[in-house]
Amino acid sequence: SQTIHQWPATLVQPVGSPLSLECTVEGTSNPNLYWYRQAAGRGLQLLFYSVGIGQISSEVPQNLSASRPQDRQFILSSKKLLLSDSGFYLCASIRASAFFGQGTRLTVV
Amino acid sequence: GNSVTQMEGPVTLSEEAFLTINCTYTATGYPSLFWYVQYPGEGLQLLLKATKADDKGSNKGFEATYRKETTSFHLEKGSVQVSDSAVYFCAQIKNYGGSQGNLIFGKGTKLSVKP
Repeated sequence: SQTIHQWPATLVQPVGSPLSLECTVEGTSNPNLYWYRQAAGRGLQLLFYSVGIGQISSEVPQNLSASRPQDRQFILSSKKLLLSDSGFYLCASIRASAFFGQGTRLTVV
Repeated sequence: GNSVTQMEGPVTLSEEAFLTINCTYTATGYPSLFWYVQYPGEGLQLLLKATKADDKGSNKGFEATYRKETTSFHLEKGSVQVSDSAVYFCAQIKNYGGSQGNLIFGKGTKLSVKP
């Protein structure tokens, strides 16, 4: 069974500061990896997905970017955070079923 | 395109009450359907799933039946407990070129169960 490690669990960052959230996967190889965001009062929105190293697809234009430097590593970044970037970020590995990390609650102040 | 619509919450019930959370979907083809649960302060966990029409997923007393005719996957439980208080997400998997991926979620329904 897969395990998704995601950190940090909570993060408070000032507006304009950079962001780096890391997700690593154990128990599988060549996973399809995803970043979702859950904003307050809204559902889960797909931000990025990756089917392999260096392959990133963006679903929604954002103040964010993603990278896949290794097979089981997926990173979500921003150069300058906005207040609207606040939310709950989830990393997932999905094929027939989905495995999720514990999530990162980001508050931009 | 593919989408998932679920009833908006919050839903507040007394312990031992009957629960229904409605979920309908739109899709090309026949997606797999899921219910995920998010307990306070935790990430998402798979609650149950169904991969084809008329399949019934069940877990922890929860059930949902994949209804192709009504494009629905309603979540039910006969007697809820305080520990069932959580946010519930209905989801479908959208296929990408034959290789499954990308869960499409509903907005979530918050359930609060009072003792």
